[in-house]
Amino acid sequence: QVQLVQSGAEVKKPGASVKVSCKASGYSFTDYYIHWVRQAPGQGPEWMGWIKPNSGGTHFAQMFRGRVTMTRDTSISTVYMEVTSLRSDDTAVYYCARVTPVGIIDYWGQGSLVTVSS
Amino acid sequence: EVVMTQSPATLSVSPGERAALSCRASQSVSSKLAWYQQKPGQAPRLLIYDVSTRATGIPARFSGSGSGAEFTLTISSLQSEDFAVYYCQQYGQWPPLTFGGGTKVQIK
Repeated sequence: QVQLVQSGAEVKKPGASVKVSCKASGYSFTDYYIHWVRQAPGQGPEWMGWIKPNSGGTHFAQMFRGRVTMTRDTSISTVYMEVTSLRSDDTAVYYCARVTPVGIIDYWGQGSLVTVSS
Repeated sequence: EVVMTQSPATLSVSPGERAALSCRASQSVSSKLAWYQQKPGQAPRLLIYDVSTRATGIPARFSGSGSGAEFTLTISSLQSEDFAVYYCQQYGQWPPLTFGGGTKVQIK
């Protein structure tokens, strides 16, 4: 069965960076883009961007460009998402998600809580 | 960017009753609309895509309708496990993928 397993919760200070991992299994890793979506407490989901696992190509939502990077290691079917210059409003649960070519999110990771606090 | 607006923010319904949740897009997204269910502490789960197609394993009491910019998710007879937050998401004009703010369905 398809699974996306993410790394654990993190607590960071403002200005620091955080890197979240997402290990895929149960399907061919290079067949689907992996997207990242975050959800602040009590808010709806917010799309951040995607990575194409076979080439490593990326695309980011405007508000995250320059502050977010996405990478992958195809040998272990894992993608990584790093956010730099963290602010308190980056406190959220970060999800990786498998997305079909048309944009349907059919599988989600379990989420990784990132708390930014001094 | 397509803005998605859901109403109401909270819906109080008794078990066994019908619930209708609304989702409006700021511009037409054709039939490229999905619904997700989220329970506390869990990731969202795909319920419906292409406006009205149920995802694998989703019971028939969940149905979707609409087109263009106005959509509805209907739960015909609410079960205890259906009390949750529901989000709509458009994939008609992306990137970016955009979501509504959610409707919380709670027990009346």
